[in-house]
Amino acid sequence: DTAVSQTPKYLVTQMGNDKSIKCEQNLGHDTMYWYKQDSKKFLKIMFSYNNKELIINETVPNRFSPKSPDKAHLNLHINSLELGDSAVYFCASSEGAYNSPLHFGNGTRLTVT
Amino acid sequence: GENVEQHPSTLSVQEGDSAVIKCTYSDSASNYFPWYKQELGKGPQLIIDIRSNVGEKKDQRIAVTLNKTAKHFSLHITETQPEDSAVYFCAASKTGNKLTFGGGTRVLVKP
Repeated sequence: DTAVSQTPKYLVTQMGNDKSIKCEQNLGHDTMYWYKQDSKKFLKIMFSYNNKELIINETVPNRFSPKSPDKAHLNLHINSLELGDSAVYFCASSEGAYNSPLHFGNGTRLTVT
Repeated sequence: GENVEQHPSTLSVQEGDSAVIKCTYSDSASNYFPWYKQELGKGPQLIIDIRSNVGEKKDQRIAVTLNKTAKHFSLHITETQPEDSAVYFCAASKTGNKLTFGGGTRVLVKP
């Protein structure tokens, strides 16, 4: 009964490939996020959706495209992968869009070779 | 935009001692300050949060203080235990849920 689940946990791929990471939450939350954690553990927001509507879209290459088919799911598709995309990607959810605690998944470690 | 600085980057304490982590933020409009704990191989987990209308909040061995004038907030862990070993992150946000995280503090509690 994992609250926020991401698949896959590990993703190893070559430069130039396209890959997707899936996220699902069973908390009934309205808002979902993608965060990127680099090799120095720095966490930075990439996107946020509230009820399937994009509300935060940080300065991220347009090779990254989030998709929210419903409010329980938020997927991340990455085109033309680059070495610098290697990181841990975390999905998170919150009850509301205003200063609500985030519930994180356990991350997807992406390695681009 | 908001900038959050966190110190120290690593902290080693003896079991039973206290640990203090400090953060400063740049945007005086920030009004929500959560702290997250990240264990190896897992996502960050909220341990305590404080809003700008409160100066201090405590939950068992964990407390957070906020000084809005100086724009800094701190996490205090008392009677540390080995299971407190983890990376701790502070964060800040204003309206909206765009959290800006500090760089993290790796805490090691030595038995």
